[in-house]
Amino acid sequence: EVQLVESGGGLVKPGGSLRLSCAASGLTFSNAWLTWVRQAPGKGLEWIGHIRSKTGGGTTDYAAPVKGRFTISRDDLENTLHLQMNSLKTEDTAVYYCATIHITMVRTSIMEYYFDYWGQGTLVTVSS
Amino acid sequence: DIQMTQSPSSLSASVGDRVTITCRAGQSIRNYLNWYQQKPGKAPKLLIYAASNLQSGVPSRFSGSGSGTDFTLTISSLQPEDFATYYCQHSFTTPVTFGQGTRLEIK
Repeated sequence: EVQLVESGGGLVKPGGSLRLSCAASGLTFSNAWLTWVRQAPGKGLEWIGHIRSKTGGGTTDYAAPVKGRFTISRDDLENTLHLQMNSLKTEDTAVYYCATIHITMVRTSIMEYYFDYWGQGTLVTVSS
Repeated sequence: DIQMTQSPSSLSASVGDRVTITCRAGQSIRNYLNWYQQKPGKAPKLLIYAASNLQSGVPSRFSGSGSGTDFTLTISSLQPEDFATYYCQHSFTTPVTFGQGTRLEIK
């Protein structure tokens, strides 16, 4: 059974930094594409970014609101995904979820891409 | 960015009703459309992927259809556990974006 457990959330002042972690089990972590999604209080879901598996290049993509401030990384030895958040703003207040990405590819084209397993989320509050 | 627009934003229905939620993309996304269900205080749960494929373990009363820009999620006979918020999501390109959500409430 795939399990994802986020940690590291909390209260931080505007301009501060925070590092979230997502510990994974029940999957071959090194082969997994992974993503972070957030949800502001009472609002909808917002994709933050993803990281490909090492065999997929290990590269990252980010949404515009966080690009240059947030960094997604992975530790395939510890089966852990990280989200380093810098220069935090009040509008970054949200529950942050990690999720696994199901990818089906034909040659270099992605045929299927969806988020199949999710963690329980961790709350980040940015406030003075 | 590709904008995803769901309708209605909220919906009241009764147990046993047939319910349809619509999602429209700002440009063609072929069949790169997924549906999620979220209950209060819980993580989203995948229901439908690639527009019409039922995720393993999801009841067959859920179905999805559409391609291009217009998609629907249908619940054939509402059950008490189906009252939740539903989100569509495109995965045609990055950034991946979600619809604003449809809140399904008990009438």
